Amino acid sequence: KNEVEQSPQNLTAQEGEFITINCSYSVGISALHWLQQHPGGGIVSLFMLSSGKKKHGRLIATINIQEKHSSLHITASHPRDSAVYICAVTGTASKLTFGTGTRLQVTL
Amino acid sequence: NAGVTQTPKFQVLKTGQSMTLQCAQDMNHNSMYWYRQDPGMGLRLIYYSASEGTTDKGEVPNGYNVSRLNKREFSLRLESAAPSQTSVYFCASRGSGAWLDKNIQYFGAGTRLSVL
Repeated sequence: KNEVEQSPQNLTAQEGEFITINCSYSVGISALHWLQQHPGGGIVSLFMLSSGKKKHGRLIATINIQEKHSSLHITASHPRDSAVYICAVTGTASKLTFGTGTRLQVTL
Repeated sequence: NAGVTQTPKFQVLKTGQSMTLQCAQDMNHNSMYWYRQDPGMGLRLIYYSASEGTTDKGEVPNGYNVSRLNKREFSLRLESAAPSQTSVYFCASRGSGAWLDKNIQYFGAGTRLSVL
């Protein structure tokens, strides 16, 4: 069993839909990260959180430490949100452990 | 502000050839990392360097060597490439200052390597 599990693996949505991507982890962490990887391949950090909730524009990330679960929400989705979203956790020695990613396709 | 720069972006090798992937960061970060990304798998750590002059093995170090040439540069070398090393390689760096900066890793654009 992977230490970081994401669901769903693939997601197709129509423009304007509310999207939720889930991440569960099984190890102790100091932080959880949501990353975005566009078709061009580059990876950028969207959020880093250790408790509660963070919001940036149409993106919202939440974490429940007791349940070892995080969600990434996208409101009013747009085709430019199409990307792979990766959950990662910071564990021992500040190393990152990554989920396998959720491929999101938003259509018109 | 360049951030993390990787070269080359693409490379095709024949089995047994050698090559070095270059990575440089201009953020004065102490820690640098090399990952590989394969279909259906999360990024996996090959090697990392917590500071200039130190390197340590990650999850999948076999077949690779690294050099932390100075604080800015961290190179990854394939001495004798194998088809199993076909992958996308990412370099990343991480600071060690305030808590937020300490935990965020900044990634390069990636190197797509094919070994035939």
